[in-house]
Amino acid sequence: AQKITQTQPGMFVQEKEAVTLDCTYDTSDQSYGLFWYKQPSSGEMIFLIYQGSYDEQNATEGRYSLNFQKARKSANLVISASQLGDSAMYFCAMRGGWRSGYSTLTFGKGTMLLVSP
Amino acid sequence: SAVISQKPSRDICQRGTSLTIQCQVDSQVTMMFWYRQQPGQSLTLIATANQGSEATYESGFVIDKFPISRPNLTFSTLTVSNMSPEDSSIYLCSVEMETEAFFGQGTRLTVV
Repeated sequence: AQKITQTQPGMFVQEKEAVTLDCTYDTSDQSYGLFWYKQPSSGEMIFLIYQGSYDEQNATEGRYSLNFQKARKSANLVISASQLGDSAMYFCAMRGGWRSGYSTLTFGKGTMLLVSP
Repeated sequence: SAVISQKPSRDICQRGTSLTIQCQVDSQVTMMFWYRQQPGQSLTLIATANQGSEATYESGFVIDKFPISRPNLTFSTLTVSNMSPEDSSIYLCSVEMETEAFFGQGTRLTVV
């Protein structure tokens, strides 16, 4: 079984500062993928960044980077230079649990990020 | 990439009624996924819909309550049947590609 753990229910950060959102995972799969999503109050799920289990370099997408530590089974999201618009719920998710021809996503409980001026 | 149009975006329904949610994808995909997000909670997979076959439901979800149709490779519907207030949630459809999973805008359902 797969499990995603996000231990921070809420995080506060000041505008322009960097923030790290924690994510640890557990899986018996050798091949898996890790995702981060942002969910604003509107409810839509916005894809931020992806890291494959065999990727040797940490993924980066603009202000987002993923600190992937495979031995520790952690995939923390780092947001640099926070903006007020970054205030939202953030979900870590893992693709794995391979079945006949497809895999599924397992989500963590999420971290609510609030950015203050 | 994929663009998913999901509707309705929100609805308020009377208990005991049913609501059908539609998802249209701008490209052909083999699998479509339906999730439920209860208030303040994370996303939980309801079922996986493969074109031409019955949907595969996760533990705790049954076809009588959440019937799914998948008539072609770009479209799927999820019906929430005989609704109760406990069904008040955001429902999302999703498709997965190599390194991304795309979601519809979500349907915010309130049952009164």
